[in-house]
Amino acid sequence: EAGVAQSPRYKIIEKRQSVAFWCNPISGHATLYWYQQILGQGPKLLIQFQNNGVVDDSQLPKDRFSAERLKGVDSTLKIQPAKLEDSAVYLCASSLDLGGRDGYTFGSGTRLTVV
Amino acid sequence: GEDVEQSLFLSVREGDSSVINCTYTDSSSTYLYWYKQEPGAGLQLLTYIFSNMDMKQDQRLTVLLNKKDKHLSLRIADTQTGDSAIYFCGKSGGYNKLIFGAGTRLAVHP
Repeated sequence: EAGVAQSPRYKIIEKRQSVAFWCNPISGHATLYWYQQILGQGPKLLIQFQNNGVVDDSQLPKDRFSAERLKGVDSTLKIQPAKLEDSAVYLCASSLDLGGRDGYTFGSGTRLTVV
Repeated sequence: GEDVEQSLFLSVREGDSSVINCTYTDSSSTYLYWYKQEPGAGLQLLTYIFSNMDMKQDQRLTVLLNKKDKHLSLRIADTQTGDSAIYFCGKSGGYNKLIFGAGTRLAVHP
């Protein structure tokens, strides 16, 4: 079974620029999550999708962050404009359903550096 | 609100047992998880326990859940250098939103 795919692996941008991250979850997984992991901290949930609908985006800074999952499969997370404090690893995860019994599978993440 | 807390650092000698602890504030969890993160990598699911269980054993890993005290622990028997990593405790809450602690860095020395 293929894992959760994320790209790019690394990204360096200047502050005020925009950036987009892509995630392809495990085939058949209805639920998709984006997490932000700042160095030395645990992952923080930004947004959770169930198919193509948003379940929870309470921690998403909506003035600069946006995410979509138009066809209920792939997802993109965008930051515009980026700030220095957005430097982090952005992790995508998916699960079969909302039950969580089979756990949540994570991608390798995109490491963003804002300079 | 929901919160998960872990001690930040643990150092053990190779061959000894490691015990990583976690406490949480919200008792509405369905599942509780332990994930492992190695440098530059994503999170790898180690094991999980359903909230109506007290213990789960999986090879060298033993998970203990004390629902009354809202305390979860992960015991790694015969700890090896390859076990050096950051271990995250996670809980699923409302809509099965997965919340993590800050992680415990396990250092294994000879």
